[in-house]
Amino acid sequence: EVQLEQPREEVKMPGESLMIPCKASGYGFDSYWIGWVRQMPGRGLEWMGIIYPGDIDTGNCPSRYGQFTVSADQSIDTAYLKWTSLRASDTAVYYCVRVIMIGGVIVRLDSWGQGTRVTVSS
Amino acid sequence: QSALTQPPSASGSPGQSVTISCSGTSGDIGAYDRVSWYQQHPGEAPKLLIFNVNERPATVPPRFSGSKSGNTASLTVSGLRTEDDAEYYCFSFAGRNSLGVFGGGTKLTVL
Repeated sequence: EVQLEQPREEVKMPGESLMIPCKASGYGFDSYWIGWVRQMPGRGLEWMGIIYPGDIDTGNCPSRYGQFTVSADQSIDTAYLKWTSLRASDTAVYYCVRVIMIGGVIVRLDSWGQGTRVTVSS
Repeated sequence: QSALTQPPSASGSPGQSVTISCSGTSGDIGAYDRVSWYQQHPGEAPKLLIFNVNERPATVPPRFSGSKSGNTASLTVSGLRTEDDAEYYCFSFAGRNSLGVFGGGTKLTVL
């Protein structure tokens, strides 16, 4: 069974750094893309960025969502979403997802982590 | 990349059918047959319902179906059940720069 395990909650102050792990199991971690999706309080889903653990080829949208990066550690089957300096506007639930990509085209997001609720407040 | 456009709400009675639309552009929905739909209950992670416009994972009942015409995709839920009361999101591949875009979500209420 495909599983993506994330911490349930993180509470931080503005300016602090944060790295959210997404531990994969039940499939070949380096054979599938991992994506990240944001859901701000009471709002819809927003696509953030993606990484292919197999070759550390990363696509991200920092100009749209602010300063975050995505990375992966093949040795422990874990992807990461990282901020170096959080802002209050980063408060949201963040989901990691397994992405089925064929020929460079996203086909579906077929497995979701349970989400990490991030609260940034002074 | 602008979000795809969905109606904020939809409703129906048990046993009825309801269709939710998802409007995009010639750069996303209109360009690729890679529309997927997700169901989200409050406090839970979203779940894949439909992919490639009209294909269902094995675990999703055939009451859920999808279609596309031009720049607009649709999700139809037939034989509504109380457990279908949830938020529904469409998603489309949107090219190699932005990769993907979600709709704003539609809250389906089963009366």
